Amino acid sequence: NAGVTQTPKFQVLKTGQSMTLQCAQDMNHNSMYWYRQDPGMGLRLIYYSASEGTTDKGEVPNGYNVSRLNKREFSLRLESAAPSQTSVYFCASTPGGTDDSALHFGNGTRLTVT
Amino acid sequence: AQSVTQLDSQVPVFEEAPVELRCNYSSSVSVYLFWYVQYPNQGLQLLLKYLSGSTLVKGINGFEAEFNKSQTSFHLRKPSVHISDTAEYFCAVSDIQGAQKLVFGQGTRLTINP
Repeated sequence: NAGVTQTPKFQVLKTGQSMTLQCAQDMNHNSMYWYRQDPGMGLRLIYYSASEGTTDKGEVPNGYNVSRLNKREFSLRLESAAPSQTSVYFCASTPGGTDDSALHFGNGTRLTVT
Repeated sequence: AQSVTQLDSQVPVFEEAPVELRCNYSSSVSVYLFWYVQYPNQGLQLLLKYLSGSTLVKGINGFEAEFNKSQTSFHLRKPSVHISDTAEYFCAVSDIQGAQKLVFGQGTRLTINP
């Protein structure tokens, strides 16, 4: 059981380049999330998708777009990368509902923007 | 809106000693509370969660936490730590009506010395 799979694991971009981070889950979860992790700041929510066909902004959405391609996949796009977007990005999923709120995380994508 | 404060950014302890990692939260509504652990170069794994009921919650790897509503705290404890507990620990909160949008603390790095 793979759980939450993120690709790529590492990426280096130049300022202004674009890229898409991919995330897929095989647990039939309804809700999916993108977080970024920066030293001393914990994890901050970028965007989330409560269910297939819906997306909403989180705490730090500027400079990002997302697509909930289907129930399994939730991608994060940087249209014009900036050094401030250097971070570790985590995708997560959860069944949805109020009885099991735990997030299941992928192993992260480490992005450096020069 | 919720917020989480982890009072210690780093906690060094000796192997087999007890440890407490402190977490305080702020919220105007009822919340769910979580502790996650992150081992190097990995995603986050759920240690334990408080949804309702007994205020003492037991999790994996011998950890437990106590929900204290009057003090708005959810401190994590382990009576005897092992080298393998070396990791970063994150406290998180979500409101009970939200789409599991977790707000994370800044993290506490637990270092176990032999």
